[in-house]
Amino acid sequence: AQSVAQPEDQVNVAEGNPLTVKCTYSVSGNPYLFWYVQYPNRGLQFLLKYITGDNLVKGSYGFEAEFNKSQTSFHLKKPSALVSDSALYFCAVRDTTAGGSYIPTFGRGTSLIVHP
Amino acid sequence: ETGVTQSPTHLIKTRGQQVTLRCSSQSGHNTVSWYQQALGQGPQFIFQYYREEENGRGNFPPRFSGLQFPNYSSELNVNALELDDSALYLCASRNQGGRETQYFGPGTRLLVL
Repeated sequence: AQSVAQPEDQVNVAEGNPLTVKCTYSVSGNPYLFWYVQYPNRGLQFLLKYITGDNLVKGSYGFEAEFNKSQTSFHLKKPSALVSDSALYFCAVRDTTAGGSYIPTFGRGTSLIVHP
Repeated sequence: ETGVTQSPTHLIKTRGQQVTLRCSSQSGHNTVSWYQQALGQGPQFIFQYYREEENGRGNFPPRFSGLQFPNYSSELNVNALELDDSALYLCASRNQGGRETQYFGPGTRLLVL
């Protein structure tokens, strides 16, 4: 079975400060990891993914995430937050084990609030 | 914006009724997945269609069913609606293949009274 944990329901940060949104995962094989953002009354927008290779993944809108296999984490980061980054962020994992369903499991989401 | 579209945007039904939601996948995508997102929760996988056949299903009862058409568009049907079916229903499309990214539509907000 696979699972995702986003331990913080809400993250507050001041505009211009660095931000981190945490995600840990559990899979039996090697993971594919994704971050999505959701603005109010909208669908999910893809930000970035880790498949293989470099542990630091760069994505849209200046976001990046670091894959840490030993800590089973995939935290989302941005060096300087913008008020417009305020939204709901979802981490997702997909198990790549042979015979796996390739169906992603999403976390419950973290609300990011960037204060002016 | 992705090329995934969904209709309708909002829908109100009463308990026991049936509903059909529609999704047009992004051009070039042959796999469609449906998710239910309850308020305050992450998306929960309902099922996935590839080449007009269901090839993956989450923990949802049989009253949730679907179709995929030759042009890769899809429908989600829910029979005997229950109050707990009230949610945002999201469609996502991608190309078949483990490394492919899913792209989501804007969703259909269903309210069951």
